Amino acid sequence: KAGVTQTPRYLIKTRGQQVTLSCSPISGHRSVSWYQQTPGQGLQFLFEYFSETQRNKGNFPGRFSGRQFSNSRSEMNVSTLELGDSALYLCASSAATGATNIQYFGAGTRLSVL
Amino acid sequence: AQSVTQLGSHVSVSEGALVLLRCNYSSSVPPYLFWYVQYPNQGLQLLLKYTTGATLVKGINGFEAEFKKSETSFHLTKPSAHMSDAAEYFCAVTTTDSWGKLQFGAGTQVVVTP
Repeated sequence: KAGVTQTPRYLIKTRGQQVTLSCSPISGHRSVSWYQQTPGQGLQFLFEYFSETQRNKGNFPGRFSGRQFSNSRSEMNVSTLELGDSALYLCASSAATGATNIQYFGAGTRLSVL
Repeated sequence: AQSVTQLGSHVSVSEGALVLLRCNYSSSVPPYLFWYVQYPNQGLQLLLKYTTGATLVKGINGFEAEFKKSETSFHLTKPSAHMSDAAEYFCAVTTTDSWGKLQFGAGTQVVVTP
């Protein structure tokens, strides 16, 4: 079974631009979560989508948004990029059933904002 | 709300020696606890999880952890370190009222010396 796929792996943008990151979950998984990883702040939860609905949201400004499609694929968008948005963005999928709810992570998209 | 504290941002161990990584959690409801490992330029890989039941859980690559409710701890151990264990390790917590959201510790970088 294929794992979580994130595209692209690397991105370079300039301040003020917007960016869209993509995440394809493991087949059959209906929940997709997004995290931001930086050296200073560590791993921070952005949001989680389940069956096309945002179910949980972290403490990030409105410039960060996401959506999930009917096939469970998810996209994350960041508008008006700032230097501080440079980070590794990780996507995780889970079956979201039962008590285990294990999240499986993709390799991430490394975003550099210049 | 829940939180995780990992004691020690860097740990250096000799090859063949015991690996001990400390994790303490805070949660007002029963927690579900995880240890993940991250190798350079990769996503997170699940080592082991505690949900309910047996408090000593075994994971991949010879790692195990013990859930101690009285001490609010979930320390990770491996009897004999291998060079391939050099990586960053993250403890994480979630609860049934926050499915899809993992709260991570700051991480512990493990260096293995010959």
